[in-house]
Amino acid sequence: SYELTQPPSVSVSPGQTASITCSGDKLGDKYACWYQQKSGQSPVLVIFQDSKRPSGIPERFSGSNSGNTATLTISGTQAMDEADYYCQAWDTSTDVLFGGGTKLTVL
Amino acid sequence: EVQLLESGGGLVQPGGSLRLSCAASGFAFSSYAMSWVRQAPGKGLEWVSVIYSGSISTYYADSVKGRFTISRDNSKNTLFLQMNTLRAEDTAVYYCAKVGDSSSWYFDLWGRGTLVTVSS
Repeated sequence: SYELTQPPSVSVSPGQTASITCSGDKLGDKYACWYQQKSGQSPVLVIFQDSKRPSGIPERFSGSNSGNTATLTISGTQAMDEADYYCQAWDTSTDVLFGGGTKLTVL
Repeated sequence: EVQLLESGGGLVQPGGSLRLSCAASGFAFSSYAMSWVRQAPGKGLEWVSVIYSGSISTYYADSVKGRFTISRDNSKNTLFLQMNTLRAEDTAVYYCAKVGDSSSWYFDLWGRGTLVTVSS
């Protein structure tokens, strides 16, 4: 069965760049998106269709998807960005699939 | 205000049933596919089911197929999830989510969730 693999945790210093990866077989052939979930809150879409930002999402959030890996990049990371991040993809053979999530810690 | 509000969660015994509702407001509910996503305590997100705007097509995760039924009432801007033969592993917060684009499948609006606990 198809799987999306994320690192369980990523740490970053304030003001630095955080990169969170999501790996899956030929993931670049599918659309990937990313959600941010802060503690005790519902998920929020931060990137869709690989690299598009919904209105209201800061420009420091960006995304890419190629080969077997999608990447969420947070430039100039702020303390408020500390959260769990989930990638998600879809195609006709996998339906909707989420990665296992990555806990981003801003030290 | 654009929002989704779930209700109907609670404590149910294994083998029991529960019906969740999701009231939508602030957008053209009938024009969008809608989905349920769940999250077990301390775990990640798991997609459960989706229904297209005209209710013609529905799809389910293998883990709930044959036990859960998704439906919608476009006249009342409401999404439903009928859950039968519940198991302990169905314990989770259930989120209602709006599909932003059914050609690329992403969820651009989420509710606050409703907790379902399956336990004797």
